[in-house]
Amino acid sequence: AQKVTQAQTEISVVEKEDVTLDCVYETRDTTYYLFWYKQPPSGELVFLIRRNSFDEQNEISGRYSWNFQKSTSSFNFTITASQVVDSAVYFCALSEILTGGGNKLTFGTGTQLKVEL
Amino acid sequence: ETGVTQTPRHLVMGMTNKKSLKCEQHLGHNAMYWYKQSAKKPLELMFVYSLEERVENNSVPSRFSPECPNSSHLFLHLHTLQPEDSALYLCASSQDLRGGADEQFFGPGTRLTVL
Repeated sequence: AQKVTQAQTEISVVEKEDVTLDCVYETRDTTYYLFWYKQPPSGELVFLIRRNSFDEQNEISGRYSWNFQKSTSSFNFTITASQVVDSAVYFCALSEILTGGGNKLTFGTGTQLKVEL
Repeated sequence: ETGVTQTPRHLVMGMTNKKSLKCEQHLGHNAMYWYKQSAKKPLELMFVYSLEERVENNSVPSRFSPECPNSSHLFLHLHTLQPEDSALYLCASSQDLRGGADEQFFGPGTRLTVL
């Protein structure tokens, strides 16, 4: 069975600090996809990034960067120079293809990030 | 309208009521999903539809009944709910062209309270 663990329930930082959100996953699939989503107080989950299992290149998008380590089954997310607008719940998810169509996302419990002035 | 919309945004109902949640996607996607988000629990996948056919039913109680009349609309019919069903219900859609690689686009959710 697929499993995603986000051990950090809540993180508080001061604006401009860097912060890393951890994600550890379990799967028996050899090909899989990992995702990060952001959920601001409005409730809507916003897609941030997708990573496939055969591409271990780290990715940077502005202040966001992701570190995928297949050897440790981790897909960590770093926000550089955090801002108040980054305050949200962040979810890591693992995708499983459904035979009838679509894909099933297994989510972690999320990390609540609070960025204060 | 753009993206994925859900109505109503908030719903309060008694245990004997019947109500429906509506989801509409304006993205031309082929797959639609219902998730339940309860406090302090991971998002739980409830139902998946691909090309209007139900492909996943995650052991959801029969008091939740989904309906997908076309690839743009998804409903969740509710009847005789329990207080523990109070949660945020999220709808999502995906293109369903790249298997597990498809990102899902989420609506804002319906906050349901069962009294």
